[in-house]
Amino acid sequence: DIQMTQSPSSLSASVGDRVTITCRASQSIITYVNWYQQKPGKAPNLLIYSASTLQSGVPSRFSGGGSGTDFSLTISSVQPEDFATYFCQQTYTSPDVTFGGGTKVEIK
Amino acid sequence: QVQLQQSGPGLVKPSQTLSLTCAISGDSVSSNSVAWNWIRQSPSRGLEWLARTYYRSKWYNDYAVSVKSRVTIKPDTSTNQFSLQVNSVTPEDTAVYYCVRGFSSYMDVWGKGTTVIVSS
Repeated sequence: DIQMTQSPSSLSASVGDRVTITCRASQSIITYVNWYQQKPGKAPNLLIYSASTLQSGVPSRFSGGGSGTDFSLTISSVQPEDFATYFCQQTYTSPDVTFGGGTKVEIK
Repeated sequence: QVQLQQSGPGLVKPSQTLSLTCAISGDSVSSNSVAWNWIRQSPSRGLEWLARTYYRSKWYNDYAVSVKSRVTIKPDTSTNQFSLQVNSVTPEDTAVYYCVRGFSSYMDVWGKGTTVIVSS
């Protein structure tokens, strides 16, 4: 299985801060990475697919990058509704997809 | 707008069978461009893909190695639904279960989730 290691596991930020979350794959997955946002009691919501493509309806303050083994999700200016948990997912070995452990973004 | 409506019991006894159903609206279980997945989430195991079914001139099913011997996924074209059965459940199967629509490289529509507790 390909392991996806997210860092940090949690972070505190103020509204307006720039936030970056990273995800490292245990082997090259080209750009087969997606990012999801999950709020308490809700299902994950797709933000970014194929490493850098913004899903329809997702605000442009979200962006993704990277290739090979190292990937990032950036929120350019964190808004109150962005406080949530974020997960990366690799689909290189689809259907055996795997997820990162999550990064909880909290209000400072 | 595609929506997935999940149904099924929230409490299952150990050694029994867990059965969940996902009703699709706004798309077809027989679509040639998507796959229909089940994923579960627990504090101990995180997000875990379990199974998928899809139609490409015929039906295909795939299963995670960790659950392959106990899990069955089935499409139902008459009701535009798909289902998941997990046999011989243990407390380790306690989780929130999601049905999810997937394309070749991403998953874009999730059901609301069903909390399943395995306990006597």
